[in-house]
Amino acid sequence: NAGVTQTPKFQVLKTGQSMTLQCAQDMNHNSMYWYRQDPGMGLRLIYYSASEGTTDKGEVPNGYNVSRLNKREFSLRLESAAPSQTSVYFCASSQQGNTEAFFGQGTRLTVV
Amino acid sequence: RKEVEQDPGPFNVPEGATVAFNCTYSNSASQSFFWYRQDCRKEPKLLMSVYSSGNEDGRFTAQLNRASQYISLLIRDSKLSDSATYLCVVWYRGKLIFGQGTELSVKP
Repeated sequence: NAGVTQTPKFQVLKTGQSMTLQCAQDMNHNSMYWYRQDPGMGLRLIYYSASEGTTDKGEVPNGYNVSRLNKREFSLRLESAAPSQTSVYFCASSQQGNTEAFFGQGTRLTVV
Repeated sequence: RKEVEQDPGPFNVPEGATVAFNCTYSNSASQSFFWYRQDCRKEPKLLMSVYSSGNEDGRFTAQLNRASQYISLLIRDSKLSDSATYLCVVWYRGKLIFGQGTELSVKP
């Protein structure tokens, strides 16, 4: 029962480096999401994809890009990492937006 | 103004207590509502959906008041294992929007 798989689980980047966070789900879900979670801030939506081939900005999209590669995969890219992007990143998926969302285990990213 | 607002707490209660959490949302067109639970910054997991007529799952009762744009969660007979952060979630136009969460600590 893989569900939603995120990689990597931990990452340390230097300021200015780039990286891609990978997310894959095996539940044939249409909707996928990327969130970041900072202390005291709850989960903030970065980008979401309501269906294969579509992506939309969430609350905090600046500094990020996404790709919905196919129905299973939704990646998040940091082109030039900044210390303000130090956070825990969660990927999630749901069949439709109004049904239960399942989350990956998170990626703990530190930018130094 | 945040789209979904919760009192962050923490709520410190003794075992057996009844505790209630509230949540307000700003968009009257919001369509679906949920409570999620998060343990120690692990991934959130669905606790229960919230329906207009109100719904109950064991010790947990959720209520929705669309007129006031208000959602509540009541936990009866609190257990130590209920200690967690409770997240109010609203779905609107393809977006799942989270409140900042309410921290609950149940003490012996």
